[in-house]
Amino acid sequence: KAGVTQTPRYLIKTRGQQVTLSCSPISGHRSVSWYQQTPGQGLQFLFEYFSETQRNKGNFPGRFSGRQFSNSRSEMNVSTLELGDSALYLCASSGQGGGEQYFGPGTRLTVT
Amino acid sequence: AQTVTQSQPEMSVQEAETVTLSCTYDTSESDYYLFWYKQPPSRQMILVIRQEAYKQQNATENRFSVNFQKAAKSFSLKISDSQLGDAAMYFCAYLRYGGSQGNLIFGKGTKLSVKP
Repeated sequence: KAGVTQTPRYLIKTRGQQVTLSCSPISGHRSVSWYQQTPGQGLQFLFEYFSETQRNKGNFPGRFSGRQFSNSRSEMNVSTLELGDSALYLCASSGQGGGEQYFGPGTRLTVT
Repeated sequence: AQTVTQSQPEMSVQEAETVTLSCTYDTSESDYYLFWYKQPPSRQMILVIRQEAYKQQNATENRFSVNFQKAAKSFSLKISDSQLGDAAMYFCAYLRYGGSQGNLIFGKGTKLSVKP
């Protein structure tokens, strides 16, 4: 089985712009979670989607949003980018049972 | 709220020797999962090992094993016969059991160096 894929791998944006990141889960996995990783804050949960519904959300401002499509692929969007949004954004998918989440390679977002 | 603490920011081990990484957690739940993830410098997060809280037997995956002490809320990772490829950040993580499992709660990580 192919692993979790994320596109793009690297992104440079300017403050005030918006960005969309994409994640394709492992085939058959219906749950997709997003995490932000920074040196200062570590790994922080953004949101989780299951069957096109957001069922869990972390403590991030409304500028961070996401969605999931019928094929389980997910996108996250960050509007009005701030310098502090520079981070590695990780997507993880999980199947039924087991609990373990499998991570993609991440998207490195740099905001200048 | 659940928390995960890794008290060793950095550890070092000689190749072929054994090293133990510590993790403690806090929860009021009785059923949950615990994981160790490895993140090499290339940044891909890899699942190393998992433990279900209801299982008393410690999980083992080849050279990796855990010491799960539920009453003490401790979950350490032992790496035997350390190899250069084991050098990475190691994250301990907690996941609620069942239903909308939601998010992994991570510790701050331990950076493991392996000396040849």
